[in-house]
Amino acid sequence: DGGITQSPKYLFRKEGQNVTLSCEQNLNHDAMYWYRQDPGQGLRLIYYSQIVNDFQKGDIAEGYSVSREKKESFPLTVTSAQKNPTAFYLCASSIDRGVTEQFFGPGTRLTVL
Amino acid sequence: AQSVTQLGSHVSVSEGALVLLRCNYSSSVPPYLFWYVQYPNQGLQLLLKYTSAATLVKGINGFEAEFKKSETSFHLTKPSAHMSDAAEYFCAVSGASGRRALTFGSGTRLQVQP
Repeated sequence: DGGITQSPKYLFRKEGQNVTLSCEQNLNHDAMYWYRQDPGQGLRLIYYSQIVNDFQKGDIAEGYSVSREKKESFPLTVTSAQKNPTAFYLCASSIDRGVTEQFFGPGTRLTVL
Repeated sequence: AQSVTQLGSHVSVSEGALVLLRCNYSSSVPPYLFWYVQYPNQGLQLLLKYTSAATLVKGINGFEAEFKKSETSFHLTKPSAHMSDAAEYFCAVSGASGRRALTFGSGTRLQVQP
């Protein structure tokens, strides 16, 4: 089955630690995205990548980093510089031409203890 | 710049009643508009999308939305609510070029009363 997988589903981190969230897709999509979701605020764009080895900051990139070494993978690192990292993180992908919808993974809920 | 405003963070309807979820957008270019649904602790699922073809767009699960340029609106409707429609709904906008990432509204939580 084609789709997007995110792991882990739940993640707990101590303050001051970096943590990496996994996102893998087998849809052969060019573009991938990371969003952060907080209650009552909708989804906000952290980073996006339209092609391998290239990525762009979104609206709330501070305290986060990404890499795009393979087309199917777009891991997100939440660094200790992120002041309020507890949130639900969603990865998405799309083909990067025409008008296309984004397909979303199941999400990772990160809690900082 | 693009933005989306969803009026009403919570909407409650009775089972069998009309569902109306409001979305207004702002865009400096012709917009592409989307409605997504999210069930608790899950990702988002596309309900429907507007791509400048027909202004009345039909989606999954009996939902539809009408693009009204004069009102900059893209409201989501369903004639008869079902208990399984209880979820959070997000309206989103994107441009045709450049940054393709979606700009989301803050969401509307739909409750369906028996």
